[in-house]
Amino acid sequence: DSGVTQTPKHLITATGQRVTLRCSPRSGDLSVYWYQQSLDQGLQFLIQYYNGEERAKGNILERFSAQQFPDLHSELNLSSLELGDSALYFCASSPQGATGNTIYFGEGSWLTVV
Amino acid sequence: DAKTTQPPSMDCAEGRAANLPCNHSTISGNEYVYWYRQIHSQGPQYIIHGLKNNETNEMASLIITEDRKSSTLILPHATLRDTAVYYCIVRSREIYNQGGKLIFGQGTELSVKP
Repeated sequence: DSGVTQTPKHLITATGQRVTLRCSPRSGDLSVYWYQQSLDQGLQFLIQYYNGEERAKGNILERFSAQQFPDLHSELNLSSLELGDSALYFCASSPQGATGNTIYFGEGSWLTVV
Repeated sequence: DAKTTQPPSMDCAEGRAANLPCNHSTISGNEYVYWYRQIHSQGPQYIIHGLKNNETNEMASLIITEDRKSSTLILPHATLRDTAVYYCIVRSREIYNQGGKLIFGQGTELSVKP
């Protein structure tokens, strides 16, 4: 158990809909990362937040957005869903501290768009 | 971040040492070498990381060449549960202790066979 909690674990929704994935980082971790893993794309970095502020952006679509709240939990919002958005979405967190700090991943949220 | 090159797949006999190579010839002086693994759609699991010295923990050993252009992850006594995709990642240190994102490549699919 990495200490990173993601909900829901599984989600099935229709095209055009909007979903929200939630992540609770490890206690005290200030950085939250979101990744997408689909069968043909591997693990793709989407976005990073640090203490409530966006820190780095990867291959995140404009239909997707994220935020980190004052209690440090984070949400990834996916809208106007398409079949190709079906994937495993991982959240990860890392602590403030010495450089080289380790990133820990949750178990992911399976999203199926039908 | 520097790119890494890993063999796409490897086999290892159960109980034997698994040696997973990684090339990172463009690594810079402020970049760490990290190893993660992913067991069949579970969240990526941290294994070990290093800067320039060899490192060992309860899971594995990491050998980094003196020029830092390549490294080897060693699982000393591989078991069937070590079957997974292993990712070698070069990650930059960031000032102000805010961490840096991980960029995953395709990794090495290790199959441990009885």
